[in-house]
Amino acid sequence: DIQMTQSPSTLSASVGDRVTITCRASQNINNWLAWYQQKPGKAPKLLIYQASSLQSGVPSRFSGSGSGTEFTLTISSLQPDDFATYYCQQYDSYSYSFGQGTKLEIK
Amino acid sequence: QVLLVQSGAEVKKPGSSVQVSCKTSGGTFGTFALSWVRQAPGQGLEWVGGIIPVTETPVYAHKFQGRVTITADESTSTAYMEMTSLRSEDAALYYCAVSDNSAWYYDFWGQGTLVTVSS
Repeated sequence: DIQMTQSPSTLSASVGDRVTITCRASQNINNWLAWYQQKPGKAPKLLIYQASSLQSGVPSRFSGSGSGTEFTLTISSLQPDDFATYYCQQYDSYSYSFGQGTKLEIK
Repeated sequence: QVLLVQSGAEVKKPGSSVQVSCKTSGGTFGTFALSWVRQAPGQGLEWVGGIIPVTETPVYAHKFQGRVTITADESTSTAYMEMTSLRSEDAALYYCAVSDNSAWYYDFWGQGTLVTVSS
């Protein structure tokens, strides 16, 4: 199975900061990677698919990059609504595994 | 827009089985990449398995092979997940989730079904 490892596990930042979350795959997944945002008590929300394609309706401050085994999610200027947990997910081959999550906290 | 409505919470004893349903509306059910994803309390997301209904061929995470069965009924646009031999570590919120373009990422999610396993 492909293992997905996110870093950091927790990130403290302030409104207006630029933040980057990294996701590494244990083998090449080409660009078959998605990013999700989850808030407490809610289902995950798709932000990015195919590594860098912004889902419709998602603010442009979110961007994704990478291919192969290393990927990043960047939020260019944090807004209060962005404090949540973020997950990457590979869909190159099943099991379509998720990273362990990155909790983005207010500093 | 696709809407997914899941069945209600379940309380089960260890060793028993549970079936969770996911009724969809909107989109083309047969070509959905429909998956089940679970989340234990305070934990991350875990992919359980999925199906593209028109293929009638489910796929499963290796750790659930032999214990989970995923089916889809195109006549009612409803998918089902059955898990057998339940243990305490199976207690979680189970989500169904779909992509409406047959890709295995998920832009629509159900509300989740809480499965409690307790003697």
